[in-house]
Amino acid sequence: GENVEQHPSTLSVQEGDSAVIKCTYSDSASNYFPWYKQELGKGPQLIIDIRSNVGEKKDQRIAVTLNKTAKHFSLHITETQPEDSAVYFCATKDSSASKIIFGSGTRLSIRP
Amino acid sequence: DSGVTQTPKHLITATGQRVTLRCSPRSGDLSVYWYQQSLDQGLQFLIQYYNGEERAKGNILERFSAQQFPDLHSELNLSSLELGDSALYFCASSGHSGGLHGYTFGSGTRLTVV
Repeated sequence: GENVEQHPSTLSVQEGDSAVIKCTYSDSASNYFPWYKQELGKGPQLIIDIRSNVGEKKDQRIAVTLNKTAKHFSLHITETQPEDSAVYFCATKDSSASKIIFGSGTRLSIRP
Repeated sequence: DSGVTQTPKHLITATGQRVTLRCSPRSGDLSVYWYQQSLDQGLQFLIQYYNGEERAKGNILERFSAQQFPDLHSELNLSSLELGDSALYFCASSGHSGGLHGYTFGSGTRLTVV
């Protein structure tokens, strides 16, 4: 079945610097790649997603890149702020599947 | 408020007992998904229902079962509880069964088995 690997498991960056989280997947049929942010005591929240016909997508300080050949996709957060501290999950899905498969999560801490 | 409502928020029970977790999906959403999140673990898919019918099954134990009712709310039943069942249980909903769409998650039910 589909497997999603996410790195790093923890990441600490200085406020204002950039953070990058990387994921790899195994199923070449995957064509939808969402990212979720989970704050303490809350459920995961969809923050950005990308489909396989697009190589990059940006939304203000957040961007995702996708390399289908290498089966890699990444989340980039620029100009990090304290409110970016959370656990981030990458995920994959193919259009025929019902379920989204999640990576193991990255705990991002922003140092003041 | 995401629009997905989960009750109760917290549940403490003893080993061997049975509990029921409830989820009301976002208005208009037909699919409900259940995920388990253990301490420092990722989100493990348990089961999906679409418009009352089971659509997909993940790593759900035989002691666990779920159903979706005509009003589209869903219940996850956990029986013969063990200490290892202690976890956060999330419900998510979407308007579709398949396709390229994300989910909306509820705030979860924290289950503690003592």
